[in-house]
Amino acid sequence: GDSVTQMEGPVTLSEEAFLTINCTYTATGYPSLFWYVQYPGEGLQLLLKATKADDKGSNKGFEATYRKETTSFHLEKGSVQVSDSAVYFCALSGGYSGGGADGLTFGKGTHLIIQP
Amino acid sequence: NAGVTQTPKFRVLKTGQSMTLLCAQDMNHEYMYWYRQDPGMGLRLIHYSVGEGTTAKGEVPDGYNVSRLKKQNFLLGLESAAPSQTSVYFCASSGGDTQYFGPGTRLTVL
Repeated sequence: GDSVTQMEGPVTLSEEAFLTINCTYTATGYPSLFWYVQYPGEGLQLLLKATKADDKGSNKGFEATYRKETTSFHLEKGSVQVSDSAVYFCALSGGYSGGGADGLTFGKGTHLIIQP
Repeated sequence: NAGVTQTPKFRVLKTGQSMTLLCAQDMNHEYMYWYRQDPGMGLRLIHYSVGEGTTAKGEVPDGYNVSRLKKQNFLLGLESAAPSQTSVYFCASSGGDTQYFGPGTRLTVL
């Protein structure tokens, strides 16, 4: 079945540091890929997505590129802020059908801590 | 625009009790989902629905039932709660490949 593997946390960085959170996936077919963010005590919010190979998703200074050859979707940000502290989830949908009807497969989440 | 709402926000049950979690969405989405989130496990799909009157099992359906009598509502039921069902439950809805999540229900089973 489909699976998502992301780096374990917590990841602790200083403000203005460069961020990379690795994500690799296993899926049959052509999945869509997502990064969701969860702030303390809240639900998940979509951060960015990419629906086909070589697409780059971006939002709020975060970027991730859908790499089919390496089955990866690593999250990057050039200069992190204290407000970026949260749990980040990599996810995929529709490995078979390309659609989202049958739910998302999530990684275990990476807890990011940004220190001032 | 409320998006996805969940009721209740918190609940404590005793083993063997039953309860129903309510999810409502106002985005006219066809697809709705129930997930549970446990420490170190990410989110796992319990049940989902691709339209009014339809439901299907996800990855961890045992001990749960669901109903989708109205398009905007998706109910998750626990018939006889067990301590292993202590978790945070999230509902989501989707009109395509992007899912929108509710704020969650924290359930403790003693």
